[in-house]
Amino acid sequence: QLQLQESGPGLVKPSETLSLTCTVSGGSISSSSYYWGWIRQPPGKGLEWIGSIYYSGSTYYNPSLKSRVTISVDTSKNQFSLKLSSVTAADTAVYYCAGEDGGWEAFDIWGQGTMVTVSS
Amino acid sequence: SSELTQDPAVSVALGQTVRITCQGDSLRSYYASWYQQKPGQAPVLVIYGKNNRPSGIPDRFSGSSSGNTASLTITGAQAEDEADYYCNSRDSSGNHLKVFGTGTKVTVL
Repeated sequence: QLQLQESGPGLVKPSETLSLTCTVSGGSISSSSYYWGWIRQPPGKGLEWIGSIYYSGSTYYNPSLKSRVTISVDTSKNQFSLKLSSVTAADTAVYYCAGEDGGWEAFDIWGQGTMVTVSS
Repeated sequence: SSELTQDPAVSVALGQTVRITCQGDSLRSYYASWYQQKPGQAPVLVIYGKNNRPSGIPDRFSGSSSGNTASLTITGAQAEDEADYYCNSRDSSGNHLKVFGTGTKVTVL
């Protein structure tokens, strides 16, 4: 059974780059059945899709964040990563990694989430 | 990009039926998936595709769609169904861009 775990700094300074990694266990990240995505949730607010990556490397980004986002995959480590540049306080949120079934296009596997605060 | 709009909050008496709706242009072409989120927890998929439930999701949860509106129905709501619910689908611009609905807080009275 696939499981996901986010890791990375909980505090990032304004204007710097937020970097998170999601480790996939219980299966291969190279599965052709899944897209791997990042979703965030500011405190007290709703969910926002940040972007997704296919194991082949194809990426899809939220147009509102596209200029600042990079998602990459490391198949040798069974991990995928998020980089969000030039962060501000508005990027403070719980960040979730998730696995999306490519056939049904539903996020059926979620990490527990990690809180990232942008503050000096 | 497109938007998916949900009512901010609905309430339902214990054991009664509640329908949560999600409206957006992309729903004319793509199915919505639905997620339940309880405080302090990650979202959980409850409905996907035309009307499919993952293993472990009670059959009181069902989904439907008509035109630009997708619906999640809870038939015989239980206290443990009190949560936030979000729909998700493709952006109408295509190319595997995704968008979440604005979310609905369900209160079980």
